[in-house]
Amino acid sequence: GENVEQHPSTLSVQEGDSAVIKCTYSDSASNYFPWYKQELGKRPQLIIDIRSNVGEKKDQRIAVTLNKTAKHFSLHITETQPEDSAVYFCAASGEDSSNTGKLIFGQGTTLQVKP
Amino acid sequence: DTAVSQTPKYLVTQMGNDKSIKCEQNLGHDTMYWYKQDSKKFLKIMFSYNNKELIINETVPNRFSPKSPDKAHLNLHINSLELGDSAVYFCASSQEGSPNYGYTFGSGTRLTVV
Repeated sequence: GENVEQHPSTLSVQEGDSAVIKCTYSDSASNYFPWYKQELGKRPQLIIDIRSNVGEKKDQRIAVTLNKTAKHFSLHITETQPEDSAVYFCAASGEDSSNTGKLIFGQGTTLQVKP
Repeated sequence: DTAVSQTPKYLVTQMGNDKSIKCEQNLGHDTMYWYKQDSKKFLKIMFSYNNKELIINETVPNRFSPKSPDKAHLNLHINSLELGDSAVYFCASSQEGSPNYGYTFGSGTRLTVV
């Protein structure tokens, strides 16, 4: 089955700096890679996603890149703000019989943005 | 209108008790899930139902039994609760094939077994 590794587990940056979170996955059949943000005591919320036919996707200060050959994908947050502080999860899902619709999550990254 | 709603939000109970958590979604999605988030924040899938049919059943003790009376509801019943069951349980739903394949999560149920 799919296994998703996420690094780093904690990340502290100064306001205005960039933050990068990296994930690797094991199942080459995976083709959907969402990122979720979870604020303290809240539910995980989808912030951006990418499919395997795309190498990069951007939404304002957030971008995601995907390297299918190397089986890794990354989240980039530019011009970080204190309200970006949260736990970020990457995930992977595929459409074969073993993992259809099933999101496998990384271990999470606690991002702290210092004002 | 809350898209995916769970009840109760908090649940404190003694070891050995039986408890249920309810989940309802009004998004018209076909698929619903239960995830467990432990103290280290790790999100692990437990069950998935598609149109009332069980399609994913991960390695979960058989004390946990999901029930889906219709595609808008997925409940989780836990028998003989143990200390290790303490966690936040999230319900989620998704619509396969839509441009937004991602999950919509409920607000979570924090279960504390004492």
